[in-house]
Amino acid sequence: GAVVSQHPSRVICKSGTSVKIECRSLDFQATTMFWYRQFPKKSLMLMATSNEGSKATYEQGVEKDKFLINHASLTLSTLTVTSAHPEDSSFYICSARGYDFRDGYTFGSGTRLTVV
Amino acid sequence: DAKTTQPNSMESNEEEPVHLPCNHSTISGTDYIHWYRQLPSQGPEYVIHGLTSNVNNRMASLAIAEDRKSSTLILHRATLRDAAVYYCILSRNDKIIFGKGTRLHILP
Repeated sequence: GAVVSQHPSRVICKSGTSVKIECRSLDFQATTMFWYRQFPKKSLMLMATSNEGSKATYEQGVEKDKFLINHASLTLSTLTVTSAHPEDSSFYICSARGYDFRDGYTFGSGTRLTVV
Repeated sequence: DAKTTQPNSMESNEEEPVHLPCNHSTISGTDYIHWYRQLPSQGPEYVIHGLTSNVNNRMASLAIAEDRKSSTLILHRATLRDAAVYYCILSRNDKIIFGKGTRLHILP
């Protein structure tokens, strides 16, 4: 089945630095990728939708300058958390789907970001 | 965004069937019903999805009401590995929004 690889699985960074998270579709072309964040014991919150070759669409309340999304190819999307602060510590998850939205969505295994 | 309502938590005994309900009274004709589950510290895992007809796969069955305002995910024989948070989601406008899901506890 479809596989989405997310890297790194865990990262610890210092406050004020930037962190990049990669999301790759391994065996299919992902025209659309989604980025979510999840706090402990809470559900996933959609941050943004990225389409290959175009600008990401951010959900209300998500700072686009803080969370930079690049979807430069049909198999790779990246999320960069810029000038990270402790409140950005969270579990970040990407998701991808192929050409037909009626197919299921495939999720990455998530990235645990801790900002110290 | 289309909203779904699920019980916060459910319990089931191991090796017994589990029926997880979901209400989606505002569903539109083109919304697909998706089910995912999430284990701690992992990304969601696809379980099943459907539009109007009941669906079966190796993991589960999806029973969709005739008016499509509700659906039920059926795990035919629960195991301890099925303990997870189960999310019922409507896909609309090319994105999926997660609700709170149902935390399923499996009792040995």
